[in-house]
Amino acid sequence: GAGVSQSPSNKVTEKGKDVELRCDPISGHTALYWYRQSLGQGLEFLIYFQGNSAPDKSGLPSDRFSAERTGGSVSTLTIQRTQQEDSAVYLCASSLQGAYGYTFGSGTRLTVV
Amino acid sequence: SQQGEEDPQALSIQEGENATMNCSYKTSINNLQWYRQNSGRGLVHLILIRSNEREKHSGRLRVTLDTSKKSSSLLITASRAADTASYFCATDAGTASKLTFGTGTRLQVTL
Repeated sequence: GAGVSQSPSNKVTEKGKDVELRCDPISGHTALYWYRQSLGQGLEFLIYFQGNSAPDKSGLPSDRFSAERTGGSVSTLTIQRTQQEDSAVYLCASSLQGAYGYTFGSGTRLTVV
Repeated sequence: SQQGEEDPQALSIQEGENATMNCSYKTSINNLQWYRQNSGRGLVHLILIRSNEREKHSGRLRVTLDTSKKSSSLLITASRAADTASYFCATDAGTASKLTFGTGTRLQVTL
C-alpha cells in the first residue's frame, strides 16, 4: 500500500483480556518497528524486525508482550492479560533500510478499563 | 530510556516568527532525525542529518548538529499555523539500527 496501515484505530478492552494489534507496512520495506507512546510522552521502543533476522525484542516491557511478522510483511503485536498501564498509543513504522527515515502508521489507541 | 531531551518542552509563537527547538543526546550517533507529530498519532519524518554533517536545510527547516556538545537544533522560519504540532528528535546510535526518540517539544503557532 501507499502507507503504513494499522488496525484497529482504537481499541477498548477490559483488564485481563488479550488484544492483538496489526501493522501492514509499506511493500518492500524490510525493517518494521513497534513503539508505544503514553499520553504526552515520548516514544518507547518495543521491538524491531529486519528481514529474516531474529527480532530485537529488547524493548518489550514484560513477557505479556509478544510480536510476530509473517512472511516479512504484516506484523501483529499481542498483549496478554492487559493491565491499565498498557493504555497507550501503539505506533508501527517501517523503513527501507534500518533507521534511515521511518514511515509511521496512524497508531492504535489502546484503552484498558 | 530516552536518548534525547528536547528543549523547550513547549513553545508558543505568532505566525511569521521563527521557532527554534533544541535536542541533547547522550551517546555517539550515526545520524539524528527530526519528526513532527500532529494530534498524538503518526509521526512524519522531516529531516535527517548525519554525524559528519554540521548543517542541513529543507525548505523552511534548518537543522544543525554539534557532535562535540551532543546537541542539535531545529529552526522553522516564517512559521505558520499549520506548523502547530509536537516535534521530536531521534537518534540512531551504534549498530542498533533503531531510533531512540526524545521527549518532544510542543509548538503552538497562533495567528
